Amino acid sequence: EVQLVQSGAEVKKPGESLRISCKASGYTFTNSWIGWVRQMPGKGLEWMGIIYPSDSHTVYSPSFQGQVTISADKSISTAYLQWSSLRASDTAMYYCAKSSSGYDSWGQGTLVTVSS
Amino acid sequence: EIVLTQSPGTLSLSPGERATLSCRASQSVRSRYLAWYQQKPGQPPRLLIYDASSRATGIPDRFSGGGSGTDFTLTISRLEPEDFAVFYCQQYGNSPWTFGQGTKVEV
Repeated sequence: EVQLVQSGAEVKKPGESLRISCKASGYTFTNSWIGWVRQMPGKGLEWMGIIYPSDSHTVYSPSFQGQVTISADKSISTAYLQWSSLRASDTAMYYCAKSSSGYDSWGQGTLVTVSS
Repeated sequence: EIVLTQSPGTLSLSPGERATLSCRASQSVRSRYLAWYQQKPGQPPRLLIYDASSRATGIPDRFSGGGSGTDFTLTISRLEPEDFAVFYCQQYGNSPWTFGQGTKVEV
């Protein structure tokens, strides 16, 4: 069974850095793209970017390019989403999802709250 | 980037009725690489349809997808109580992948 288990909720202050994780199991991690999706409170889904863990090739949405960093550690089947300096507008639920003709498996989500 | 526009924004129906949701793309979606998702409150999205018309594993056959080019539809033939939710389309044929803004199906 494919499982994506994300790290727990975070409360941070503006300007702080953060890395959240998504641990995959039940499939060959290096054989599928894995992506990140943002959902701001009460809003729709936004595609942030995607990574191919085998070679770490990454594609970002123009809206998120330069704002976040997506990475993966294939030795532990884990993908990451990272911010160097958070803003209040980064407050949202973040989902990782495995790609196979669309996103066929999703993590449970990580709620990130940025507030002074 | 391809902009996906879903209509209507909200669909008010009763159990047993037919639901037809629309997703229109600002340019042609390559190879019908379009998916539909269902999201209920407090849950991650669930893949319903991929490649415009293929049902994902475990999805009941009352859900069907169709269309090509710039116009796509999701049809729920007879609404069950558990089907009321928000539905999103997504294209994955052109980078960056994009989502529509969602259609809420409510009682």
